[in-house]
Amino acid sequence: GAVVSQHPSRVICKSGTSVKIECRSLDFQATTMFWYRQFPKKSLMLMATSNEGSKATYEQGVEKDKFLINHASLTLSTLTVTSAHPEDSSFYICSARPGVSDSPLHFGNGTRLTVT
Amino acid sequence: SQQGEEDPQALSIQEGENATMNCSYKTSINNLQWYRQNSGRGLVHLILIRSNEREKHSGRLRVTLDTSKKSSSLLITASRAADTASYFCATGVSQGAQKLVFGQGTRLTINP
Repeated sequence: GAVVSQHPSRVICKSGTSVKIECRSLDFQATTMFWYRQFPKKSLMLMATSNEGSKATYEQGVEKDKFLINHASLTLSTLTVTSAHPEDSSFYICSARPGVSDSPLHFGNGTRLTVT
Repeated sequence: SQQGEEDPQALSIQEGENATMNCSYKTSINNLQWYRQNSGRGLVHLILIRSNEREKHSGRLRVTLDTSKKSSSLLITASRAADTASYFCATGVSQGAQKLVFGQGTRLTINP
């Protein structure tokens, strides 16, 4: 149980275009989802907390107009990288938890974004 | 900012040996969790230890927590080649939805 599906797994786009990444909780409802970014051989940096039905909460230094988050239902959150640049190339991972607030997170398999 | 610092950054051992990874953190926590990540994949939860617990076991995994030193360790006994992965500690910070802040990770390689 507690599966988080992330799509696409890989995407290549040109500079200036926008890319949407989807994160779905397949067998549970998630009022909150978390978006992380990971550089090669580095740790995960929390970008934002996605809240169903309300605005996302962004971490310090993360541009909310650059990384648009929408959490329109209890099973779907999307991250849109707008006007992508090569420095946005990274591994983006979403996560959610099916249980109480201090229970473990379940992660999607990540999206490898390459901006050319 | 990163809460946890892990040590060592990389560890290479022979199959069958035990692997120990350490994690230190800076602020008060509700719990500490360990995750595993295979290359290019998402993270998989391994074990959670609460701030009022000192030691926890799960199969070949043993986790300790010392809140006075703000540190934790993960021991993998009788390692296998399939244990090769990156291991991250994450601290639960109680702010609303309780986000997790991850350490830098330890890249573990098990040599057959």
